[in-house]
Amino acid sequence: EVQLVESGGGLVQPGGSLRLSCAASGFTFSSYWMSWVRQAPGKGLEWVANIKQDGSEKYYVDSVKGRFTISRDNAKNSLYLQMNSLRAEDTAVYYCAREDRIAVADHMGGVAGYYYYGMDVWGQGTTVTVSS
Amino acid sequence: QSALTQPASVSGSPGQSITISCTGTSSDVGGYNYVSWYQQHPGKAPKLMIYEVSNRPSGVSNRFSGSKSGNTASLTISGLQAEDEADYYCSSYTSSSTLFGGGTKLTVL
Repeated sequence: EVQLVESGGGLVQPGGSLRLSCAASGFTFSSYWMSWVRQAPGKGLEWVANIKQDGSEKYYVDSVKGRFTISRDNAKNSLYLQMNSLRAEDTAVYYCAREDRIAVADHMGGVAGYYYYGMDVWGQGTTVTVSS
Repeated sequence: QSALTQPASVSGSPGQSITISCTGTSSDVGGYNYVSWYQQHPGKAPKLMIYEVSNRPSGVSNRFSGSKSGNTASLTISGLQAEDEADYYCSSYTSSSTLFGGGTKLTVL
């Protein structure tokens, strides 16, 4: 069964740190881009960050740049989100999600772009509360 | 990185059809044919319903369909059923980020 299981959430004071983990199973983890998406209480979804299969490319939403770091360990089939300098507005359920995309090669053998098919597998989420 | 614009709520009676719009810009919705739609029931994780503007993943009912014109994408649900009551989010891929809409609450009357 294809599955993502998040862990590591909890209550942390403003300015504190937390590390989220996402354990993948049932698929070849190293073949997929992965994302973190969060949802503040009563609010909509917000993409937070994503990471390429080999970790060589990482992208972040502006509001977390310089504070959050996405990483992965393909040997452990795990995705991580290190969150530092946490703020009240970071309070949310954090989901990890698998991105279904295929690279399009350019004429030089590099990647010209991607065919993107959405986030097709999601975890159940882990709750982060930033409060004093 | 502005969120895509969706109506806050829509409603319809069982058997009817509804359409949810999702408006972006030429840098996201209008610039890529990579709009996705997600369904989320209360307390549950989102579920992919539409990808690449109009394609349905295996297992998703053909009552769900998607389209796009310019900078606006749309999700149509036909033959509304009680189980369709949920929040729906559009999403657009860009080369360096993913944008979500604010979400639309669908109420089945």
